[in-house]
Amino acid sequence: DTAVSQTPKYLVTQMGNDKSIKCEQNLGHDTMYWYKQDSKKFLKIMFSYNNKELIINETVPNRFSPKSPDKAHLNLHINSLELGDSAVYFCASSQGGFAGSNYGYTFGSGTRLTVV
Amino acid sequence: RKEVEQDPGPFNVPEGATVAFNCTYSNSASQSFFWYRQDCRKEPKLLMSVYSSGNEDGRFTAQLNRASQYISLLIRDSKLSDSATYLCVVTNTGGFKTIFGAGTRLFVKA
Repeated sequence: DTAVSQTPKYLVTQMGNDKSIKCEQNLGHDTMYWYKQDSKKFLKIMFSYNNKELIINETVPNRFSPKSPDKAHLNLHINSLELGDSAVYFCASSQGGFAGSNYGYTFGSGTRLTVV
Repeated sequence: RKEVEQDPGPFNVPEGATVAFNCTYSNSASQSFFWYRQDCRKEPKLLMSVYSSGNEDGRFTAQLNRASQYISLLIRDSKLSDSATYLCVVTNTGGFKTIFGAGTRLFVKA
């Protein structure tokens, strides 16, 4: 019944590795997002896809590559992980145009990434 | 100036108290406004949208002042379960971009 589910919940990996985080939503929303929440708790948007089309690509290292096979899925692949990539990554979805319009986002439970 | 600014707190209040949070935003063309709640080590959850005329949901009242570019959240009769971080969220016109404030931490004590 989970509306926005992301896996894995925890990810501990060594510097230099490549890893992926998966996200799926069953709400029928047409827009999905990746957000990063760092140790200071700031939530910053990384990417946004609307109907499988990339519409926001913030200043993010090109080691981060999103992929949306369909509008219910948005995955995040990270190459050559660095210590500074350690953070919580949230997937989110919304309906109705820009950034949640009046309905807001539904977030996944987050993936806590620790790079050692 | 940050695009969305909040008092980080923490606010420590006793049960039953009334507490208010303010949030200012810098882009006068901002179009949609929200309050989210985030519990420790959990995802943010939408608390309420903020409408120009102000709106209320039970013990929670949200207001928007476009002229002064701030939004507020009032919590009446605080409960222990209200302890969380409250995030002010602003969406800018013309895009899919949403800015989250850094959050205001609230502790409600018995």
